[in-house]
Amino acid sequence: EVQLVESGGGLVQPGGSLRLSCAASGFTFSSYWMSWVRQAPGKGLEWVANIKQDGSEKYYVDSVKGRFTISRDNAKNSLYLQMNSLRAEDTAVYYCARAGFGVVIAPFDYWGQGTLVTVSS
Amino acid sequence: SYVLTQPPSVSVAPGKTARITCGGNNIGSKSVHWYQQKPGQAPVLVIYYDSDRPSGIPERFSGSNSGNTATLTISRVEAGDEADYYCQVWDSSSDHQAVFGGGTKLTVL
Repeated sequence: EVQLVESGGGLVQPGGSLRLSCAASGFTFSSYWMSWVRQAPGKGLEWVANIKQDGSEKYYVDSVKGRFTISRDNAKNSLYLQMNSLRAEDTAVYYCARAGFGVVIAPFDYWGQGTLVTVSS
Repeated sequence: SYVLTQPPSVSVAPGKTARITCGGNNIGSKSVHWYQQKPGQAPVLVIYYDSDRPSGIPERFSGSNSGNTATLTISRVEAGDEADYYCQVWDSSSDHQAVFGGGTKLTVL
C-alpha cells in the first residue's frame, strides 16, 4: 500500500525557517517525480515544487523561488522541503504528492495527509 | 502563467448529472487531471489524462476536454459526491509548473 506521511509542520515566526519531511513507503520511491502542494486555510490547492527521481531537476512556483528548497534522499525514501524567510502568506497545509507513471507531466496519484505550517508572530 | 478557471459552485439534485467546467486557453491541447477533496481530507485523483479513471473510482465519474474547456461529469449524483473538485494541468512553458483551478464546491441538494 502506497503511503506518504508528512511531518515537521508547526508554528513559526515571520522570517523563520522550517523543514518539512515526507516519508514514503509501499512503492519504489526512486522511480517517481515528487511534489509539494499547499493549501491555505479555506483556499484552493497551490503547487509549490517538484523534484526529479535523481534530484537533478527541481522546479518551483514563483512565489517561493529563492526561499524554499526541495530535496530527496532515495536511500531513506524521503522527500523534504526546506522553507526559509517564511511569510504569513506561506501559512497552509503542505501535502506531499507523487506524480504517477514516473514522468514529470503526470497526475498526482497519491497524496499524504498533510502537515500544517502556521507563520505568525 | 497559465490560468484555469472553474465556477465557484455547482448544485445538483441526487440522481441527476453534475457538470463541472475548467476553462483555459487552448486547454484541449493539454492533459487535464481532476481531484476530489472532502473537508479535512487530502485530495483524491478521480480523472486523469482528460478521461481516464483510477481504479476504485466509480464509472459515474467521466471527463472530456476540447477547445478551451475541460469538463468533469458526475452521473447519478449521490450525497457522498459532495466535495470540492479541482482541475489541474502542467504548464510546460513555465518550467514544468503544475497549475490548479480555483476549485468548485459541488453541493448535493
